[in-house]
Amino acid sequence: ETGVTQTPRHLVMGMTNKKSLKCEQHLGHNAMYWYKQSAKKPLELMFVYSLEERVENNSVPSRFSPECPNSSHLFLHLHTLQPEDSALYLCASSQDSNSVPRNEQFFGPGTRLTVL
Amino acid sequence: AQSVTQLDSHVSVSEGTPVLLRCNYSSSYSPSLFWYVQHPNKGLQLLLKYTSAATLVKGINGFEAEFKKSETSFHLTKPSAHMSDAAEYFCVVSDQGSSASKIIFGSGTRLSIRP
Repeated sequence: ETGVTQTPRHLVMGMTNKKSLKCEQHLGHNAMYWYKQSAKKPLELMFVYSLEERVENNSVPSRFSPECPNSSHLFLHLHTLQPEDSALYLCASSQDSNSVPRNEQFFGPGTRLTVL
Repeated sequence: AQSVTQLDSHVSVSEGTPVLLRCNYSSSYSPSLFWYVQHPNKGLQLLLKYTSAATLVKGINGFEAEFKKSETSFHLTKPSAHMSDAAEYFCVVSDQGSSASKIIFGSGTRLSIRP
């Protein structure tokens, strides 16, 4: 399989559930990202793992917890979510470096999350 | 500080007519600029990118964009729209050499194609 894959593609969960989203990249990249895409809002960067650095958007609630066990896999652990967390969650990867220029990101198809 | 503004939230054109999606940016350094396309229920796909080489950049599916530093613009164009071009388009700016977190997405422009 090539590119960036995400599982599951669709997820419905209650507010008390615990679930995880999985992302895998087959491109040999060294950076991985989680984005949240809500209707009528700009794409929101949630977490970045790049060059062994983890960067997080300080506005992301603690009920979202990322895990990056190696450069090919990225998880987003979810617990006690709220209905407003319903969105499309996109994973991306890139070959990042401290030199110029910036490389493009490759996106997975996303996980459509619905919180009841 | 860097930012990106997509001037139109929705553009509608007739099939076979030109497409213009506008993007303005601000950047402290030499920027990398990208256009991505997102079809319904799909991830984002790179259309084209500018990284300080030629100012006129050609991408996939007949799209191209011109980097104009004096106007801080990176507008996306296509000579003749096709029904399959209907999608959401995102302009993205990143300062070269900056942290991976400094990748800024525009709010998107929805392109509709009339038969």
